[in-house]
Amino acid sequence: GAVVSQHPSWVICKSGTSVKIECRSLDFQATTMFWYRQFPKQSLMLMATSNEGSKATYEQGVEKDKFLINHASLTLSTLTVTSAHPEDSSFYICSARDTVGQGKWTNEKLFFGSGTQLSVL
Amino acid sequence: GDSVTQMEGPVTLSEEAFLTINCTYTATGYPSLFWYVQYPGEGLQLLLKATKADDKGSNKGFEATYRKETTSFHLEKGSVQVSDSAVYFCALSDSGAGSYQLTFGKGTKLSVIP
Repeated sequence: GAVVSQHPSWVICKSGTSVKIECRSLDFQATTMFWYRQFPKQSLMLMATSNEGSKATYEQGVEKDKFLINHASLTLSTLTVTSAHPEDSSFYICSARDTVGQGKWTNEKLFFGSGTQLSVL
Repeated sequence: GDSVTQMEGPVTLSEEAFLTINCTYTATGYPSLFWYVQYPGEGLQLLLKATKADDKGSNKGFEATYRKETTSFHLEKGSVQVSDSAVYFCALSDSGAGSYQLTFGKGTKLSVIP
């Protein structure tokens, strides 16, 4: 089946530094990718929708200048957490929509990465 | 807004035990309901789904029934295996066919011991 590769799987950084997380669709093209965040004991929350070749759409309450999203190709979206602070420590997960693949129900065409655990010291 | 509440884990069961993970939801519209599973080191995978009331989704021995009257979508399996150890997420989509936006529960970690 379709695979989404997300790197790194975990990262520890100092406060004030920036961290980039990559999300790649390995065997399909993804015009749309989604970025989620999960704080401890909380639900996965949609942060933004990333569209290839255009600006990302951010959910209410998510700072677009802090969470920079770049979707420059049909197989790669990146999330950069700029000037990270301890409160940004969270589990970040991406998903990618297979625009061509099998499955009549739309969510069968949605594939997830394995997530990135970010810890900001 | 929409929300999903699922039972908190972790849940630890012996092999061949019966599994129930409770999930209830609130939604403004008529949502579709899903269970996703995340095995260690892997991404979330769609486990099963139901799109209308009284639908039963099933896959790999798991099943869940869309109960509109109780706004529930509990996940069940009659006999769990060690390989079922994973985190299970209940989710809904409230924007009709064609929407990829999901509202998730917090996830329930299941550990099955031999």
